[in-house]
Amino acid sequence: QPALTQPAAVSGSPGQSITISCTGTNSDVGGYNRVSWFQQHPGGAPKLIIYDVNNRPSGVSGRFSGSKSGNTASLTIFGLQPEDEAHYYCASYRHINTWVFGGGTKLTVL
Amino acid sequence: QITLRESGPTLVKPKQILTLTCSVSGFSITSTGVGVAWVRQPPGKALEWLAHIYWNENKLYSPSLQNKITISRDTARNQVVLTMTSVDPVDTATYFCVHMDVLSLTSLRFDSWGRGILVNVAS
Repeated sequence: QPALTQPAAVSGSPGQSITISCTGTNSDVGGYNRVSWFQQHPGGAPKLIIYDVNNRPSGVSGRFSGSKSGNTASLTIFGLQPEDEAHYYCASYRHINTWVFGGGTKLTVL
Repeated sequence: QITLRESGPTLVKPKQILTLTCSVSGFSITSTGVGVAWVRQPPGKALEWLAHIYWNENKLYSPSLQNKITISRDTARNQVVLTMTSVDPVDTATYFCVHMDVLSLTSLRFDSWGRGILVNVAS
């Protein structure tokens, strides 16, 4: 059982916005601002798109945005594009000194 | 440019020891603020953090696997090694090594990933 809960699948049409949730506990998501998001295309390695809840690494599109409220972190993708179709994983630091991933969400661009 | 490459056996028998090596370039594993992590992904399933090692050789392990895995390094070769004892078919997965950029005591990012190596555990 994954440590963090994500919806199995979300979908949206090109140009729309979607949000993927990532729910944990006070010991991880809710207790620390150390949530990351990764994008993984089929057969590829994960790519970091958000770190520390809402920071984007250089080179990542501004269409990706992260936020957090309580024990739930969220990834919002604005202006969906076909190339956004992928799996998305959240990860969080967990007390004490561990990291946990979510179960992953498959995004389909209709 | 940071690159990481995983190497090791792609088929291991149950109860054997698995040793995977992460060879890195573009950075030194002993540079301040650097870490290397191992993350695995069973076929069709989610990512799972296993362990990581910092530039100062501090190590962290997944609580569920800490009695089964060891992370170490070879500074002369700029490599990080993951050893897993008594493997089981459930350990079949793609194993990724990951560069960590430690920004502060409370901030790090898993910012560069190797391509991964698929390891099958079967008799």
